Amino acid sequence: NAGVMQNPRHLVRRRGQEARLRCSPMKGHSHVYWYRQLPEEGLKFMVYLQKENIIDESGMPKERFSAEFPKEGPSILRIQQVVRGDSAAYFCASSRDGNNSPLHFGNGTRLTVT
Amino acid sequence: QKEVEQNSGPLSVPEGAIASLNCTYSDRVSQSFFWYRQYSGKSPELIMSIYSNGDKEDGRFTAQLNKASQYVSLLIRDSQPSDSATYLCAVQYNFNKFYFGSGTKLNVKP
Repeated sequence: NAGVMQNPRHLVRRRGQEARLRCSPMKGHSHVYWYRQLPEEGLKFMVYLQKENIIDESGMPKERFSAEFPKEGPSILRIQQVVRGDSAAYFCASSRDGNNSPLHFGNGTRLTVT
Repeated sequence: QKEVEQNSGPLSVPEGAIASLNCTYSDRVSQSFFWYRQYSGKSPELIMSIYSNGDKEDGRFTAQLNKASQYVSLLIRDSQPSDSATYLCAVQYNFNKFYFGSGTKLNVKP
């Protein structure tokens, strides 16, 4: 089943370390979205990418966070110098194209900052 | 800022009843509407898509869309305890932007 693949499922980092979250979209999908979710809260949009392009990063914090979706390989969400407030579930979703295509989500990465 | 509003609940219904979940959105320039189900600790799962005014049925689920009132709803017939989850409403706007409501928590009591 070639669904959206995220890894790692769980990631523990100490304050100040870097976190790298990976996402491979569904086969045939070229649009990738990253969302953050705190416990008992909704999904917060972070960034929308297509291959080699950031389309919308209006939800990304201005510092420490970056995202890429290279021509080859998975999309990467990178968090530098993590702080406890970065602890959350990070979900990646992909869609085929812009024409009424829904988002399909991966299983998420649970980041814990100690 | 485009907004998608949902009652956070919890909405409690007895097993076998109809659960009605509602969602309003703020911008008329919207294209597509989706309902996702999210179990605790899991990822959102797509359950319904609706693109035009009216009703769309899929098994026990019916999505209803009224663009004039900027309102979309999800009905779950013959609710089961396994339907207990948080239901997220999502609206797709131009340029492939998706906005999610904060979700409604549904409890189906046996």
